[in-house]
Amino acid sequence: IVMTQSPATLSASPGDKVTLSCRAGQGAARSVAWYQQKPGQAPRLLMSEASTRAAGVSSRFSGGGSGTEFTLTISSLQSEDFAVYYCQQYNSWPPLTFGGGTKVEIK
Amino acid sequence: QLQESGPGLVKPSETLSLTCSVSSGSRRSSDYDWAWIRQTPGRGLEWIGNIYKSGSTYYNESLKSRINISVDTSRNQVSLNLTSVTAADTALYYCARRDKRAYQYDWYFDLWGRGTLVTVSS
Repeated sequence: IVMTQSPATLSASPGDKVTLSCRAGQGAARSVAWYQQKPGQAPRLLMSEASTRAAGVSSRFSGGGSGTEFTLTISSLQSEDFAVYYCQQYNSWPPLTFGGGTKVEIK
Repeated sequence: QLQESGPGLVKPSETLSLTCSVSSGSRRSSDYDWAWIRQTPGRGLEWIGNIYKSGSTYYNESLKSRINISVDTSRNQVSLNLTSVTAADTALYYCARRDKRAYQYDWYFDLWGRGTLVTVSS
């Protein structure tokens, strides 16, 4: 399943609410995970089952969607949230597939 | 907690061998399922393959003929061998741990190593 993320880059200011999109090329049910990656660091799991936050993840992160359209929303951007975000589907595999990423940068 | 290691530089047509060392208190490699994933600027994150703690493996079809993933429980290590490498195999290679909360056929990753950079060049 091809995963397409948009936008590729999102410029925002601290305190902004932002929504990242991920589109699956075919139905993925709710079997989508989201990761955050900062420069020089490994990806960090944020969300599974489209909307279930991983342990220790702030409640300002929320996920949604099902089927082919998924979103990750950050309710109020903090400085530590500027990073690249990836979606991943696990509904139909092999192969497991990732989106190309959305970079959230400081405006 | 996960530390990948490998040669850094590999010549074309040779075999790439990577190791992921698992260290986290009493947690052992045999308690979890594992995967290898690689990342390049051009192709992004690419899943290489999985291994269940039972030993069952699943590989990316595009790499299937060249890869082998195994777990050495005595050393608490997960290994990746990739044969006949080319420049297209140049990437940052990660090992990742499958989240224990995941349902039987669901694979997402709650722990990743920092990655090891592999360059294929003569």
